[in-house]
Amino acid sequence: QSALTQPPSASGSPGQSVTISCTGTSSDVGGYNYVSWYQQHPGKAPKVMIYEVSKRPSGVPDRFSGSKSGNTASLTVSGLQAEDEADYYCSSYAGSNTFVFGGGTKLTVL
Amino acid sequence: QVQLQESGPGLVKPSQTLSLTCTVSGGSISTDNYYWSWIRQHPGTGLEWIGYIYYSGSTYYNPSLKSRVAISLDTSKNQFSLNLSSVTAADTAVYYCARETTTFVHFDSWGQGTLVTVSS
Repeated sequence: QSALTQPPSASGSPGQSVTISCTGTSSDVGGYNYVSWYQQHPGKAPKVMIYEVSKRPSGVPDRFSGSKSGNTASLTVSGLQAEDEADYYCSSYAGSNTFVFGGGTKLTVL
Repeated sequence: QVQLQESGPGLVKPSQTLSLTCTVSGGSISTDNYYWSWIRQHPGTGLEWIGYIYYSGSTYYNPSLKSRVAISLDTSKNQFSLNLSSVTAADTAVYYCARETTTFVHFDSWGQGTLVTVSS
């Protein structure tokens, strides 16, 4: 069970869109529609932004969207705002009641 | 609104057992809607799922930690606990307790996290 692969960093200017990828295998990302994305500001606990690949919890802006193709999931943040600057982690169900996380991506709003 | 709060020693000696408790308020842990989870974050790095427990007492662990981990429930106190044995410096991390939804398979509520340092 290896960690999912995310780019260490991503950036964009206010108002732009940025996409963060999350690559796994057919045993996790590719095998289940149970990919979730978490936002973590410094010193804070993670907060779920997307679950089941593309669903948004109540209260999460629709600027956040998720998708999946094969073994790679993606989080897109549209209309970037200063408060979107944070670390983002993907997670996937990996079968047999286990989960795996990605290494995280630091999103910088330029 | 459910709230989770971790508690336990912030410093543990190498080879000893790390013990943490998560107190749940605003909802009962004796429900079939959720799994009660432990997740850790090494300094400056990503998240690692440790394991979780169901209200029935069934437990599921990360294969890489399975030999050293035990998660238990105390329904009378609405708490669940983590024991991690034979710790080393590599177990130094912020430990989070979290709630995982059985229906939608994600971690929807988290504690604030507690830093545990392994050092002599």
